[in-house]
Parts: sequence; C-alpha cells; structure tokens
Amino acid sequence: QVQLQESGPGLVKPSQTLSLTCTVSGGSISSGGYYWSWIRQHPGKGLEWIGYIYYSGSTYYNPSLKSRVTISVDTSKNQFSLKLSSVTAADTAVYYCARELGYSSGYYFDYWGQGTLVTVSS
Amino acid sequence: QSVLTQPPSVSGAPGQRVTISCTGSSSNIGAGYDVHWYQQLPGTAPKLLIYGNSNRPSGVPDRFSGSKSGTSASLAITGLQAEDEADYYCQSYDSSLSEVFGTGTKVTVL
Repeated sequence: QVQLQESGPGLVKPSQTLSLTCTVSGGSISSGGYYWSWIRQHPGKGLEWIGYIYYSGSTYYNPSLKSRVTISVDTSKNQFSLKLSSVTAADTAVYYCARELGYSSGYYFDYWGQGTLVTVSS
Repeated sequence: QSVLTQPPSVSGAPGQRVTISCTGSSSNIGAGYDVHWYQQLPGTAPKLLIYGNSNRPSGVPDRFSGSKSGTSASLAITGLQAEDEADYYCQSYDSSLSEVFGTGTKVTVL
C-alpha cells in the first residue's frame, strides 16, 4: 500500500518561498510508471493541480503557477519536493502530494497524502 | 480556475439515489478525455472513487457509479447512506490547462 506524507513549515512570510517535501513509502518513485504531483486546496474551496514530476526529473506545471513553481525529486530518499516562490496570502491552502497515473485518455490521482496547511502571513 | 462545473450541493434521504453532474467543454471532457471522481470526507484528503469514467477502485462500494456523455459526466450514488455525506469532485484533463478539477459538490444526507 503506497503512502505519502507531506512535511514542511506551516507558516511562511509574504514574498518568501514555500517549501514542502513529500515522502513516499510502500513503493519506489524510481520504479517509474507514475507521476508525482502536488495539489492544493484553498480554505473552503476546490482543488487546484500545481504540477508533477517523473522519476527522471521531467516536470510539468499548471500554466497559471508555472512562473513560481519548482518541483524536484530525490530518488535516493524516495521523496519529491515543491517550491513556490513569492508567496502571498492567496497561496494559503492545504497542500497535498499525490501519485498520478497517466494513460492514453487522461490522468488521475490514486493515492494522496493527508495534506498540510500552509499559511502565508507576516 | 475550475473549468468543470458541478452543482454546489445535492441532498437526499437515506436509501435514495442522487446524481452529481460535471459539465466541461470541447477542450476537456468533450475532447475525449476521461473523467474521474473523488470523495472528500470532512477534514480528510480526497479519495479516488471512480476512474476512467466508470471504474471503481478496489474497496469502493458498487453503490457508486459513473458515466460520461458528450461534454458531461455524472456520478450516481444509489442507496444513499449517512457515511456518504461528503464533498465530491470530478477531474479530467484539459488540452490547454492540463489536469483540472470540478467546482465540487456537497452531498447532504437528510
């Protein structure tokens, strides 16, 4: 059973960089076949896909966040990470990491972390 | 940035059938991309409920079913139970925006 766990600061100051790490257990990122994604949910709102990384390091980001997002992977630690720069209060959200499966007719998320609330405030 | 539209809420009595619609466009559902559904119980992470329009992962009760037609999709819950009270989200792929989610629907069991 694959499990994902987010970790990182719960409070970030405006204009700084939000940094989160997702640790994967029960499966190896480097085995391939899956994308590893970040998704966020603003308080009381819907879900927003941020981007994904493949074990090889190739990435794809939501066009609306692309200029501020960097996702990286550390296969030796079975972890992948999110950096979101120049944050504002609008980036306050619960951030989830998830495993994403892609195929000919689309993509979906089959395993999710429990989520971590990140608040942007001075 | 939700490009998939869902009703904000639906409700039903225990045992009843409820349906949730997910309306997209020619750049996502109408382009042939599959629709997937997630259940989010209060205070928890979303859980995959339906994938590939109508397939249930292991462990998901057959009370949940999905379908897709044209630029829309639907999730049906038959024999509604108290534990089904949750938020439900559809998700697909958009040729311009990549992975996109629906606006979400709150299901209330009366």
